Amino acid sequence: NAGVTQTPKFQVLKTGQSMTLQCAQDMNHEYMSWYRQDPGMGLRLIHYSVGAGITDQGEVPNGYNVSRSTTEDFPLRLLSAAPSQTSVYFCASSLQEVTEAFFGQGTRLTVV
Amino acid sequence: AQKVTQAQTEISVVEKEDVTLDCVYETRDTTYYLFWYKQPPSGELVFLIRRNSFDEQNEISGRYSWNFQKSTSSFNFTITASQVVDSAVYFCALGEGDYKLSFGAGTTVTVRA
Repeated sequence: NAGVTQTPKFQVLKTGQSMTLQCAQDMNHEYMSWYRQDPGMGLRLIHYSVGAGITDQGEVPNGYNVSRSTTEDFPLRLLSAAPSQTSVYFCASSLQEVTEAFFGQGTRLTVV
Repeated sequence: AQKVTQAQTEISVVEKEDVTLDCVYETRDTTYYLFWYKQPPSGELVFLIRRNSFDEQNEISGRYSWNFQKSTSSFNFTITASQVVDSAVYFCALGEGDYKLSFGAGTTVTVRA
């Protein structure tokens, strides 16, 4: 039972580098989302998708891009990493928009 | 404006004490959903409960119970007879009709043996 799989688990980037955080789910969920977790701020929504080919911005989208070419995959791209993007990133999927969200294990990203 | 407020940043209790976590939300929607998630020290997020706005029945699951009061926009969570394994960060979240979950800042619960 894989559920939601995120890779990598840890990453260190230099300022200005780009990278893609991978997220895959095997539950055939239509709704997927990316959050970042920062101390004292809970989880904040970066981008979300309600189905293949459809994405939209969340609360903190600047500096990130997403695409949804398949139901299973929802990668998050950091275009030019900045220290302010140091955070723990969670990918989530759910059957519908307000049903239980299943979260991946998280990616701890440090930008130096 | 913060849609979900968890007033307690940290709570520390001794094992077997009860602990109540407060959650106050703000929404203009008539249909909405409330959630609680647990984040143990290992870091994953574990779903605990989902409640829709039309169901104000309180719920009990083992040592966990939830009190939903629309009149005060609150969805509080109580752990009865706490155990060390309950030590975690607990998040309250609000789901509205626009596909987005809004999380509170979380409450860190430490249960001491």
